[in-house]
Amino acid sequence: QVQLQESGPGLVKSSETLSLTCTVSGGSISDYYWSWIRQPPGKGLEWIGYIFYSGSTNYNPSLQSRVTMSVDTSRNQFSLKLTSVTAADTAVYYCARHKTGSAWDFFDYWGQGTLVTASS
Amino acid sequence: DIVMTQSPDSLAVSLGERATIDCKSSQSVLYSSNNKNYLAWYQQKPGQPPKLLIYWASTRESGVPDRFRGSGSGTDFTLTISSLQAEDVAVYFCQQYYTTPYTFGQGTKLEIK
Repeated sequence: QVQLQESGPGLVKSSETLSLTCTVSGGSISDYYWSWIRQPPGKGLEWIGYIFYSGSTNYNPSLQSRVTMSVDTSRNQFSLKLTSVTAADTAVYYCARHKTGSAWDFFDYWGQGTLVTASS
Repeated sequence: DIVMTQSPDSLAVSLGERATIDCKSSQSVLYSSNNKNYLAWYQQKPGQPPKLLIYWASTRESGVPDRFRGSGSGTDFTLTISSLQAEDVAVYFCQQYYTTPYTFGQGTKLEIK
C-alpha cells in the first residue's frame, strides 16, 4: 500500500520561504508524476504543480514565479519550495500521486496534509 | 484556465434517497482522439484528504461502492449517489485533468436531512 507523508514547518514568517517534503513509502517514486495541492482552511482545492521522477516539472501559472519542486529518488522523496509567502498562502498542503503515470491525470494516493500558516 | 462550477453548493438528502451533484466546465474536457472525458470526482471528509471516487467521468475507483455513479460528457457532468448512507456525508469535488493547470470545483457539501 502506497503511503505519502508531508513534513516541514507548520509556521512560516511572511516574506520567507515555505519548504515541504513528501516521503513516499510502500512503492517507488519512479515512473510516476507527483503533485502538490493546497487547500486554504474551509475552502477549495488548488493545484500547485507536478514533478516527474526524472525531475521535469509543470507549475500553476498563478504560482510559477514563486514555486520550485525537486525530487530525490534515492530517498523516495519530492519537495516543494514556495518563496515570499503571505497570509494568502496559509493552507493545508497535500502531496498526491498521479494514478496512471501520466501527466494528465487524477490523484489516487494523497498524504494526510500538513497545515502551514504564514504569519508575520 | 478551465473553470469548474459545481451545483448546488450544499445539499441535504434523507437517508436512502438519491443525491445528485452537478459539475460544469467552462470548456469541453472531452479529448476527441481517445473519446475520454478528463473529469474526476473526489469525496472529502473533515480532517481527511480527498478520496478518489470516479475518473474518466464514469469509472469507479476500486473499492468505491456502486451506489456512486458518474455520468456526463463534454462540459456537463453529474455525480449520483443512488441511496444515501450516513457515511456519505462529506464535501464532493470535481476535477478536470484535460489541461494544466488542473482545476477543481468549489465543492458541494452533502448532509443528511
